[in-house]
Amino acid sequence: DTAVSQTPKYLVTQMGNDKSIKCEQNLGHDTMYWYKQDSKKFLKIMFSYNNKELIINETVPNRFSPKSPDKAHLNLHINSLELGDSAVYFCASSQDFGLAGGTGEQFFGPGTRLTVL
Amino acid sequence: GQQLNQSPQSMFIQEGEDVSMNCTSSSIFNTWLWYKQEPGEGPVLLIALYKAGELTSNGRLTAQFGITRKDSFLNISASIPSDVGIYFCAGQLPGSSNTGKLIFGQGTTLQVKP
Repeated sequence: DTAVSQTPKYLVTQMGNDKSIKCEQNLGHDTMYWYKQDSKKFLKIMFSYNNKELIINETVPNRFSPKSPDKAHLNLHINSLELGDSAVYFCASSQDFGLAGGTGEQFFGPGTRLTVL
Repeated sequence: GQQLNQSPQSMFIQEGEDVSMNCTSSSIFNTWLWYKQEPGEGPVLLIALYKAGELTSNGRLTAQFGITRKDSFLNISASIPSDVGIYFCAGQLPGSSNTGKLIFGQGTTLQVKP
């Protein structure tokens, strides 16, 4: 009955490879996000999607391409991986953006630890 | 970009002690959230604050939305070993309500000695 799930949990790969991380939420939410947490634990938003439409792209290199096949899924594909891409990537979801109404509260997945060698 | 300054960076306390941490910014925020992250897990929402001056409790946790809308604090009373983790403040700027964008503080790492 996991609310927000991500696969894989760990991903170790060589520089230059292409990899994908999958995210699924079973909360019936309309909005999904990708965050990057660096080695100093700093969390920064990368993308947000609402009803499969891209809303936020926080100046992320175009090697990162999110894809939302439906409202319950937001996958992250990364091309030509670089050493600096090593981090923990979190998927999150919320009912909508409206924090004031409590429906914008974001629920996070367990994270995917990406290590680029 | 916009930043939230969270302090202290880390705390090592004895079980039973009270804990206080805060976030400040030079910008006004519409909403303040406090999350806890345990090792190997994603952040979990503890408390959400929506109005300036609001004081909200969740068990042993109490958080307040500063009157100036530029700060927030989180208190934990009578700490226990399972309080260990990283606590993050997060805020939403005016104008971000149609994007959902949250800005996170740097985190406060809490360790509790039994």
